[in-house]
Amino acid sequence: KAGVTQTPRYLIKTRGQQVTLSCSPISGHRSVSWYQQTPGQGLQFLFEYFSETQRNKGNFPGRFSGRQFSNSRSEMNVSTLELGDSALYLCASSLEVAYGYTFGSGTRLTVV
Amino acid sequence: AQSVTQPDIHITVSEGASLELRCNYSYGATPYLFWYVQSPGQGLQLLLKYFSGDTLVQGIKGFEAEFKRSQSSFNLRKPSVHWSDAAEYFCAVGALSGGSYIPTFGRGTSLIVHP
Repeated sequence: KAGVTQTPRYLIKTRGQQVTLSCSPISGHRSVSWYQQTPGQGLQFLFEYFSETQRNKGNFPGRFSGRQFSNSRSEMNVSTLELGDSALYLCASSLEVAYGYTFGSGTRLTVV
Repeated sequence: AQSVTQPDIHITVSEGASLELRCNYSYGATPYLFWYVQSPGQGLQLLLKYFSGDTLVQGIKGFEAEFKRSQSSFNLRKPSVHWSDAAEYFCAVGALSGGSYIPTFGRGTSLIVHP
């Protein structure tokens, strides 16, 4: 079966702009989580969606938002980009988080 | 709040040697525990997980991990390392939140394999 697909793979944006990242989970997986990965902070949890509802949210400012559609595809949006938002953004899907995640390859965001 | 410590930032082993990556966690209840591996430029891949039952867990690629409640540890082992095992390894502990077990990840251990 197809894995978790994230688009785009690479993105370069300017400070102050906004960006939308997309994630298509494995078919049948209703839970989608997003993580930010940086060398300095490691893997940090952004949010989790389950059946179109945000079930959990990490400790990130309101500039970071997300949503999930009825087909379980998810998007995350970052507004008013800052240099510190440069990171690898990882999407992960699961039947239930307790079973473990399947991760996508990530979107590498560079803010200049 | 839960936390995970991976004491070793880097580990270097020779191909064919045995491997043990350490993971210590802090969590008040019975945790969900995971090990993931990440190759450069890729996402993470689940190696194995533990919640209950046999404390020695078998995973993919010949890896195993042992849960030791008394030591709050979940160390990853492999009897004979292959060059393709060179990667970043992450331990994670899942804590119940909002009806879901959200993993907190350790900072990772980078495995270097010498030929």
